Amino acid sequence: QLQLQESGPGLVKPSETLSLTCTVSGGSIISSSFYWGWIRQPPGKGLEWIGSIYYDGSTFYNPSLKSRVTISVDTSKNHFSLNLRSVTAADTAVYYCARVMAAVVGMDVWGQGTTVAVAS
Amino acid sequence: NFMLTQPHSVSESPGKTVTISCAGSSGSIASNYVQWYQQRPGSAPTTVIYGNYERPSGVPDRFSGSIDSSSNSASLVISGLKTEDEADYYCQSYDSSNHNYVFGTGTKVTVL
Repeated sequence: QLQLQESGPGLVKPSETLSLTCTVSGGSIISSSFYWGWIRQPPGKGLEWIGSIYYDGSTFYNPSLKSRVTISVDTSKNHFSLNLRSVTAADTAVYYCARVMAAVVGMDVWGQGTTVAVAS
Repeated sequence: NFMLTQPHSVSESPGKTVTISCAGSSGSIASNYVQWYQQRPGSAPTTVIYGNYERPSGVPDRFSGSIDSSSNSASLVISGLKTEDEADYYCQSYDSSNHNYVFGTGTKVTVL
């Protein structure tokens, strides 16, 4: 059974870089049928897509975050990562990683999420 | 930019049926697939419908999805409501014009 697990610091200082990793277990990240994505949810608010990556490194980003986001993949470690630069309090959220079905451009398997607070 | 609008909340009694709408702001909602996600309090989202009307394995057939091109909207129907269905539900689609995944505003379902 495929599982995704987010990991990374729970607290980041303003203006610094938020870095998270999503480790995929129970299946390979190398697949022509799936992308791998990051989604976030600020406290009490809805879901926001951050970006997605294909196993070959092709990326797609939310236009509103594109200037600050980099998503990368390491197929040898079966994980993918998120870097969000120049964070502010508005980036405080629960961050989820998920598998994206390429055929329908939607998520089918989600990680449990990790809370990241931006504060000094 | 393409947006998806949902009712803020719906409520109904156990055993009854609720319908959650997801209205597209422009273009044709039928141009890309719609997914629906359930998020129980304090938990990660799970997928209940993908590809407009497909159910992942393990999702009961009480959940069904549809698209109505005439109203440019999608719908999630939950029949035979159970207390465990109490959650937030989000629709999601894709904006081909800017390669953006778009989530709906979310609907809180309360089972009275």
